[in-house]
Amino acid sequence: GESVGLHLPTLSVQEGDNSIINCAYSNSASDYFIWYKQESGKGPQFIIDIRSNMDKRQGQRVTVLLNKTVKHLSLQIAATQPGDSAVYFCAEKGPGRTGGGNKLTFGTGTQLKVEL
Amino acid sequence: GVTQSPTHLIKTRGQQVTLRCSSQSGHNTVSWYQQALGQGPQFIFQYYEEEERQRGNFPDRFSGHQFPNYSSELNVNALELDDTALNLCASSWRQGATETQYFGPGTRLLVL
Repeated sequence: GESVGLHLPTLSVQEGDNSIINCAYSNSASDYFIWYKQESGKGPQFIIDIRSNMDKRQGQRVTVLLNKTVKHLSLQIAATQPGDSAVYFCAEKGPGRTGGGNKLTFGTGTQLKVEL
Repeated sequence: GVTQSPTHLIKTRGQQVTLRCSSQSGHNTVSWYQQALGQGPQFIFQYYEEEERQRGNFPDRFSGHQFPNYSSELNVNALELDDTALNLCASSWRQGATETQYFGPGTRLLVL
């Protein structure tokens, strides 16, 4: 079956440091991965995505790395700010089926705490 | 963006509830997820062209509908205490491998 897990439930970093949030996935057929940020009382907010035919993708202050050999995904946040404090989820999508759906499978999340 | 109503709802066991979602402009696919406290969202089902295309491990008490304007409803019958959760709607443009889903703020349901 599909499962997405996170290595660390809580990550504390100093403001200005870089943060790295890790995620393991089990479905080797998954072809698309997304990182979401969820602040308290809000819905998940899209951060960055990556297709399975890529190893790395960069956004504004964020980078996602995909290692298909060990089925590992990571999110790097540069110069972490207090506003980055939230729960971060990785999500995977299995290969699409003709006429079928494209569900996302989420992990349990990592709480990022930014200390001043 | 994606909007949902109501924001909060309190029901008692056995009651029925209908939650609503308006998709982001230009999106034709809607997915519903349930998020229990401290957990990641769990997929309920996805609608495209007004048909249910995929369903997660949720009982038949959970049903949905997608309207021609791509808005959607989630209906839950015979509510149970374990249905207490944040119910999330996500919309997307169906385009194959990179179908990014954008979430609404959710409806927080409390079942007493």
